[in-house]
Amino acid sequence: QVQLQESGPGLVKPSETLSLTCTVSGGSISSYYWSWIRQPPGKGLEWIGYLYNSGSTNYNPSLNSRVTISVDTSKNQFSLKLSSVTAADTAVYYCARLPKGEDTVDYWGQGTLVTVSS
Amino acid sequence: QAVLTQPSSLSASPGASARLTCTLRSGINVATYRIYWFQQKPGSPPQYLLRYKSDSDKHQGSGVPSRFSGSKDASANAGILLVSGLQSEDEADYYCMIWHTSASAVFGGGTKLTVL
Repeated sequence: QVQLQESGPGLVKPSETLSLTCTVSGGSISSYYWSWIRQPPGKGLEWIGYLYNSGSTNYNPSLNSRVTISVDTSKNQFSLKLSSVTAADTAVYYCARLPKGEDTVDYWGQGTLVTVSS
Repeated sequence: QAVLTQPSSLSASPGASARLTCTLRSGINVATYRIYWFQQKPGSPPQYLLRYKSDSDKHQGSGVPSRFSGSKDASANAGILLVSGLQSEDEADYYCMIWHTSASAVFGGGTKLTVL
C-alpha cells in the first residue's frame, strides 16, 4: 500500500521560503503524477503543482513564479519550495498522487499545517 | 470568474438524495472534461470518489458505494454528483476537480453537505 508523509517546519517567517518534503513508501516515485495541494484553514483546496516521471513539472499559474517542485529518487521523496511567503500562504499542505488519465487511484499524506508568521 | 463553481452548502434529509453541482466557466465545455469528485471529512485529507465524463467513460473509486454516481447537465455546463439514500456519514465537504487544458489541476470551491 502506497503511503505519503509530509515533513518540514510548521512555522515560516514572512518573506522566507517554505520547504516541505514528501516521503513515498510502498511504491516507486518514478512514475505517476505527484502533486502538492494546500488548504487554508476553513477554505477549499488549491493545487500547487506536480512532478511527473522524476523530472517534469507543472505549476499552478497563480503560484508559478514562487514554486519549485523537485525529486530525490534515491530517497523516494519529492519536495516543495515556495518563496516569498506571506500570511496568505498559511495552510495545510498535502502531498498526493491524484487520479489522472488512466491512473484511477489517489493517495494523500495526512497534511501538515504551515503557519506564516513573524 | 472561477473555472469551477460549486454551491457553498447543501442540506438534505437522511434517506433522500443530494444533487451537487460543479459548473464550468463559460467557454469551457463540460463535454470535454472528466469531472473528478472528492469527499473530505473534518481533519482528514480528501478521498477520491469517482470520475465522470460520459456513460462510457466513468470510474467509481475503490470501495465507493454505488449510492454515489456522476453525471453531467450539458445545458447548465455542469458536472453532477448524486448521492442517493443519504446517510449521516455522507455529511462532508465535496470537491470537484478537472485536469485543465494546461495540464493543471483545478478544484472547485467545495460544497458542504449537511444531512439533517
